[in-house]
Amino acid sequence: NAGVTQTPKFQVLKTGQSMTLQCAQDMNHEYMSWYRQDPGMGLRLIHYSVGAGITDQGEVPNGYNVSRSTTEDFPLRLLSAAPSQTSVYFCASIPRAGVYNEQFFGPGTRLTVL
Amino acid sequence: AQSVTQLDSHVSVSEGTPVLLRCNYSSSYSPSLFWYVQHPNKGLQLLLKYTSAATLVKGINGFEAEFKKSETSFHLTKPSAHMSDAAEYFCVVSVTPGYSSASKIIFGSGTRLSIRP
Repeated sequence: NAGVTQTPKFQVLKTGQSMTLQCAQDMNHEYMSWYRQDPGMGLRLIHYSVGAGITDQGEVPNGYNVSRSTTEDFPLRLLSAAPSQTSVYFCASIPRAGVYNEQFFGPGTRLTVL
Repeated sequence: AQSVTQLDSHVSVSEGTPVLLRCNYSSSYSPSLFWYVQHPNKGLQLLLKYTSAATLVKGINGFEAEFKKSETSFHLTKPSAHMSDAAEYFCVVSVTPGYSSASKIIFGSGTRLSIRP
């Protein structure tokens, strides 16, 4: 198993550009989520999904869109990048949405918006 | 509502001395509690978890944590620090409000552990 994979590892954008951060897992996990990590603030939940076709907002959803057309993939779209979105983004998955025993994290994407 | 407070943003200890990273939580439901470690420029890795079984939980790399309901605490300890323990540590609380609900997961703000030679 590759686990949770994320691409790209690094990205630099200009203000106003759009892009998609990719996340995939090959463990047949129900629950997938996106976090952003900023210094001194821990991880904050952006969006999550409890299964294919179902998504919901987390703590800081503004400026981001998600979709879950398959169990494996959960891309995060930045519609119009802003400097405030400079952060490290982590994708994570859990086997069953209602049973949290462990969260599996991807390696992260470091995004800089100029 | 659920919340997690990591009481120290930075802890520095000498190699070979004990480590204590403090975590307090608040939860309206019976929580599950976790500690994750993040080494520089890496993703997060599970250290240990409490899910309503034994209150003293042993994890990887010699770490352990004790769930104290009366104190709403879940402090992380290690008897003897090693240079490789230098990392960021996150305390996490999770609750599942209902059978059909997704778990609600709250991260603490993190504690950076430094080890002095």
